[in-house]
Amino acid sequence: AQKITQTQPGMFVQEKEAVTLDCTYDTSDPSYGLFWYKQPSSGEMIFLIYQGSYDQQNATEGRYSLNFQKARKSANLVISASQLGDSAMYFCAMPRAGGTSYGKLTFGQGTILTVHP
Amino acid sequence: NAGVTQTPKFQVLKTGQSMTLQCAQDMNHEYMSWYRQDPGMGLRLIHYSVGAGITDQGEVPNGYNVSRSTTEDFPLRLLSAAPSQTSVYFCASRRGAYTEAFFGQGTRLTVV
Repeated sequence: AQKITQTQPGMFVQEKEAVTLDCTYDTSDPSYGLFWYKQPSSGEMIFLIYQGSYDQQNATEGRYSLNFQKARKSANLVISASQLGDSAMYFCAMPRAGGTSYGKLTFGQGTILTVHP
Repeated sequence: NAGVTQTPKFQVLKTGQSMTLQCAQDMNHEYMSWYRQDPGMGLRLIHYSVGAGITDQGEVPNGYNVSRSTTEDFPLRLLSAAPSQTSVYFCASRRGAYTEAFFGQGTRLTVV
């Protein structure tokens, strides 16, 4: 079975500071990847960043970076220089690429980030 | 440039009624999924499909049916609505297992 866990129901950060959102995973797939999505209060799901387990360097997309630590089975999202518009729900998600659940994309419970001015 | 089109956006049902949530994508994606989102529980997978004619159950399939007769369409049927199915429903599609998912705008369903 595959499991994704986000242990921080809510996080607060001051504008212009960096924040790390935690995501831990458990999978039996020999290769895997992890996505992060943002859901603002308007409700749409926005793709932020992806990294595969065999990627040598941590992925970065603008102010977003993925801190992948395979030994700890964690793939944390780091947002640098937080902006008020970063206030949203953030989800990590992992796809199954093998076994009987091939194709399944599982999401964590989400973390609500609030950026204070 | 439609992407994933999900209808309706809002729906109120009475207990016991049935309905179909529509989902269509124009990106020729093989993978399509239905999720429900409830407070504090993230997105839970209801059903998914890896291609036309192939569907499988997710974490919370009870009370829902799907079929995938074409690559483009993946409707979700509620057989006999219950208040526990009050939720926000999202359809998503993606090209492959390791590619980003594109989401519909969501359906807010209330069962009274």
